[in-house]
Amino acid sequence: QLQLQESGPGLVKPSETLSLTCNVSGASISDTTQYWGWIRQPPGKGPEWIGSIFHSGTTFDNPSLKSRVTMSVDTSKNHFSLKMRSVTAADTAVYYCVFPVGASTGEEYWGQGTLVTVSS
Amino acid sequence: SSELTQDPVVSVPLGQTVRITCQGDSLRAYYASWYQQKPGQAPTLVIYDKDKRPSGIPDRFSGSGSGNAASLTITGAQAEDEADYYCNSRDISGNHHVLFGGGTKLTVL
Repeated sequence: QLQLQESGPGLVKPSETLSLTCNVSGASISDTTQYWGWIRQPPGKGPEWIGSIFHSGTTFDNPSLKSRVTMSVDTSKNHFSLKMRSVTAADTAVYYCVFPVGASTGEEYWGQGTLVTVSS
Repeated sequence: SSELTQDPVVSVPLGQTVRITCQGDSLRAYYASWYQQKPGQAPTLVIYDKDKRPSGIPDRFSGSGSGNAASLTITGAQAEDEADYYCNSRDISGNHHVLFGGGTKLTVL
């Protein structure tokens, strides 16, 4: 059974960089034709797609985030990562890693989510 | 990017049928998926590819769609169906881009 687990700081200061990692277990991150991805949900609001990454390193990200996002994948550690620069209070949200993103297969996996608060 | 629009609040008497709708230009090109989210939990996929149910989802959940609209129907709503529901699709404005609707809070009376 595929499992995803987010990890990273729960508190980030304004203007700094948010960094999260999604550890994948139960399957190889390379053994798929689908995209891995990040979705966030601000308190009391709906989900927002952040971006998607293929095991080759190909990425797509949400234009509304104004190129503040960098995603990477480490197949040797079977995990993928998210960095978001210049954060503000508006980036406070529960961040989820998800598989697959952008494709419908009927089987979808979400991490438990991690709350990241942007505050000084 | 384009948007997906949902009614913010819908209510249904216990045991009755309710339809939750989603509208957006992306739905002319891509099928909708629907998610159920209960407090403190990650969203759960209940419908994908417009009208397909993942394994384990009760058959009272069904999906449909035409043109720029998609619908999630719950036939015989149960108390445990009270939740937030979000539609989702690919975005016509960008390759591999993904959209979510603003959500509908369903209350079962």
